[in-house]
Amino acid sequence: GAGVSQSPRYKVAKRGQDVALRCDPISGHVSLFWYQQALGQGPEFLTYFQNEAQLDKSGLPSDRFFAERPEGSVSTLKIQRTQQEDSAVYLCASSLARTGGLNYGYTFGSGTRLTVV
Amino acid sequence: AQKITQTQPGMFVQEKEAVTLDCTYDTSDPSYGLFWYKQPSSGEMIFLIYQGSYDQQNATEGRYSLNFQKARKSANLVISASQLGDSAMYFCAMREGDSGGGADGLTFGKGTHLIIQP
Repeated sequence: GAGVSQSPRYKVAKRGQDVALRCDPISGHVSLFWYQQALGQGPEFLTYFQNEAQLDKSGLPSDRFFAERPEGSVSTLKIQRTQQEDSAVYLCASSLARTGGLNYGYTFGSGTRLTVV
Repeated sequence: AQKITQTQPGMFVQEKEAVTLDCTYDTSDPSYGLFWYKQPSSGEMIFLIYQGSYDQQNATEGRYSLNFQKARKSANLVISASQLGDSAMYFCAMREGDSGGGADGLTFGKGTHLIIQP
């Protein structure tokens, strides 16, 4: 597709429910990132993939968060036993470039707004 | 300490005026990149402009320019001739070059909500 596509656009989950958020990056983009954006804050890095390899997951807030990209294209961010503090917009971004080099641009999706009630 | 500081939570500006959005950063890495993104109400982050730490000249992209003052660790965004469509959240972000794990992730500031008034 022309851009990064995220689904669902909105998700309401009951506390304790598991959720899965999907990201379709731009075709051919090697790098894929997940960010969490709490209300009124800037995005915060969660994890990063180069193709199917998860090279950095240092930003995942707890072991309830899990991300995968098994075939090096579509990625899924899974949150188990959701808590109210997980309520946020989850942004996905992709890039054509591999790691290294400071100036390579991301293309962001519009995000999934997760509300845990 | 915060790595990216944006001190203006909100700004109101008259249409056609120039706008300066402030950003200061903190890093000990000599190699880094600075980015500005626009986030309209639709939620998508739109890339505006990039400045590398070794770039000799300030970056410009159309109506956007970056006032890069390396010694002051400042990277302010200047929007000339503001338009109603410029109303959005604006985020300053940094990527550090040699920080190992997470080096390819961006660190964002808290943003500035810019409202252009007719």
